[in-house]
Amino acid sequence: DTGVSQDPRHKITKRGQNVTFRCDPISEHNRLYWYRQTLGQGPEFLTYFQNEAQLEKSRLLSDRFSAERPKGSFSTLEIQRTEQGDSAMYLCASSLGFDRTNTEAFFGQGTRLTVV
Amino acid sequence: AQSVAQPEDQVNVAEGNPLTVKCTYSVSGNPYLFWYVQYPNRGLQFLLKYITGDNLVKGSYGFEAEFNKSQTSFHLKKPSALVSDSALYFCAVRAYTGNQFYFGTGTSLTVIP
Repeated sequence: DTGVSQDPRHKITKRGQNVTFRCDPISEHNRLYWYRQTLGQGPEFLTYFQNEAQLEKSRLLSDRFSAERPKGSFSTLEIQRTEQGDSAMYLCASSLGFDRTNTEAFFGQGTRLTVV
Repeated sequence: AQSVAQPEDQVNVAEGNPLTVKCTYSVSGNPYLFWYVQYPNRGLQFLLKYITGDNLVKGSYGFEAEFNKSQTSFHLKKPSALVSDSALYFCAVRAYTGNQFYFGTGTSLTVIP
């Protein structure tokens, strides 16, 4: 499968615990995005990488959220001290970059987080 | 500011009838426009995009969309709906010089057999 891969698909955690999600983008894609989606809403932008550089992180929901893409390949999203309000689907997407003919982002299947 | 509006939360259409899912956008400069479909507990699947050129763009599974600059709209259409088209549809916009995709709140399409 050469699509965007996310792991785990589902995560149930107790409030206050830390969680980390992984995203493997399509191999030749240099842009990687993280989005959050809650029930009945569209995806909400969190952060974005161009290769290993995190170029936009102001939309991360709080300082409990952090993301890395250390070698410009896979990325991780960490949530520290989880709260019930963090329960959502976390989506990762990748795209080829700024080429006008390849502007679309391809999404993974998401990680559904439930904080109990 | 960039934004997308999908005015209908729910669209119902009979199988075999044409369908339209509406989308309007607001963006500074030239827009890149996209439609995605989401099935339950799945990620978003790309359907089609408008970058430049012909206002009518064709995409996957027989879907097409019409870009109307004066009305700032990008409605999704299909001539003949299938029951398998039932899903959640999202419109998205990205500014030409932007990095983020902005999504609408989605429209749930139900095709009735």
